[in-house]
Parts: sequence; C-alpha cells; structure tokens
Amino acid sequence: DTGVSQDPRHKITKRGQNVTFRCDPISEHNRLYWYRQTLGQGPEFLTYFQNEAQLEKSRLLSDRFSAERPKGSFSTLEIQRTEQGDSAMYLCASSPSLLLGQGSGELFFGEGSRLTVL
Amino acid sequence: AQSVTQPDIHITVSEGASLELRCNYSYGATPYLFWYVQSPGQGLQLLLKYFSGDTLVQGIKGFEAEFKRSQSSFNLRKPSVHWSDAAEYFCAVGPYSGGGADGLTFGKGTHLIIQP
Repeated sequence: DTGVSQDPRHKITKRGQNVTFRCDPISEHNRLYWYRQTLGQGPEFLTYFQNEAQLEKSRLLSDRFSAERPKGSFSTLEIQRTEQGDSAMYLCASSPSLLLGQGSGELFFGEGSRLTVL
Repeated sequence: AQSVTQPDIHITVSEGASLELRCNYSYGATPYLFWYVQSPGQGLQLLLKYFSGDTLVQGIKGFEAEFKRSQSSFNLRKPSVHWSDAAEYFCAVGPYSGGGADGLTFGKGTHLIIQP
C-alpha cells in the first residue's frame, strides 16, 4: 500500500499527558499537511511542510503543539499537556508541490489519528 | 480569505433517487474546487476536482459536479444514489492562500442519509 499512513489510529489519554502522532506520506510527495477535524466540522488546516521546512502554521496551532519533519519524509505531531479541547481527529495529507509544476492541488489523506482526552 | 459554505448539514434521500449537494465558495482568484467523501472513522477520499476547462466534471462512483462561476457554486450530483453512498461529503477550495500555503479550505460538510 503506497498511500498515506498514520499511527496510532486511536489514542486515549488523560488530560495533561503528552501525545505524539506519526504520518508517513506518499513517498514522492514533498508537501505534507496536518489538519484537525472535530465532530460535525470539516478539516481545519494546522500546518504544512515543504520537504523538511515547516512553511506555515495556523493560529489553531498553539504553543503546546509542535510538528516536525526532520528528513523530509515522515512527520510527527506532538501535543504537550493535552486538554479536553484537543480531542479530535488529526488528519495528515500529502501532495506534490504546485511550485514545481507538479500535482493539481489534490491532497491525499491518511485515515487519521483520533485523540480522546479524558 | 477564502471560504466554503455547505448550506445543508443533513440531507436524506431515498435509495435510487437523485441527489444534489450544494457548495458555495468565496475565493479571490480562479479556484481549484474539490469534493471529498468521508465514511465513518475514515479519512477523506477524493470524488472529483475542477481546475479549468469543461465546467461539468465527472468523478468516481457515478458522481458529477458543475462549476458555475456566476453563482460561485460547485454543486455535487448523482442521478441515482445507493445505500453505500451514505457518508459525510466535504467541498473544498484551494490553493489555500493564507500566508502562502497550498492546502485546502473545507466546508463543514453535508451528512447524507439514505432511506431504504
């Protein structure tokens, strides 16, 4: 399977704990995105990477959130001191770069990591 | 900033009946428009996309959508729905231009219920 994979699929944690999610994009895609989706809402943009560089962060991404993509391949999203309001589905997506004349704006999504904070 | 409005939160359709899901967008340039479908507990799957050219685009699973620039709309249609079409449908516009990212802005979704 060469699609976007995310791990873990489900995470239940207690408030105040730290959690980390991993995303493995489609191998030839140099752009990687993190979105958050809460119940009854569409996905909301959090941040994105062009290769290993984090080029933009949404205002939704508080200082408790940190994302990395150290070698331009997989990415991690860490949430420190989790709060109940962090409960959501965290979606990762990848795409080729539009700047290089590749791709068509389509994002390829993983199945998501569902976080429940008790 | 761009935005997407899906005015119908829930739609109920009988199996075999036709379907139209509405999407209106606000965007400062020529938009790229997408429809994604999400089954419970799953990620998003692309149904179809529009960039330019023919304003009626065909997608997977028998879906089609029509881009109407004058109405800023990109409505999704299917002539005859199947029970397996029950899912959440999201309209999206991009590239996202906030600060230079090329991601997508999504609507809040329409939940499609299929009656036997």
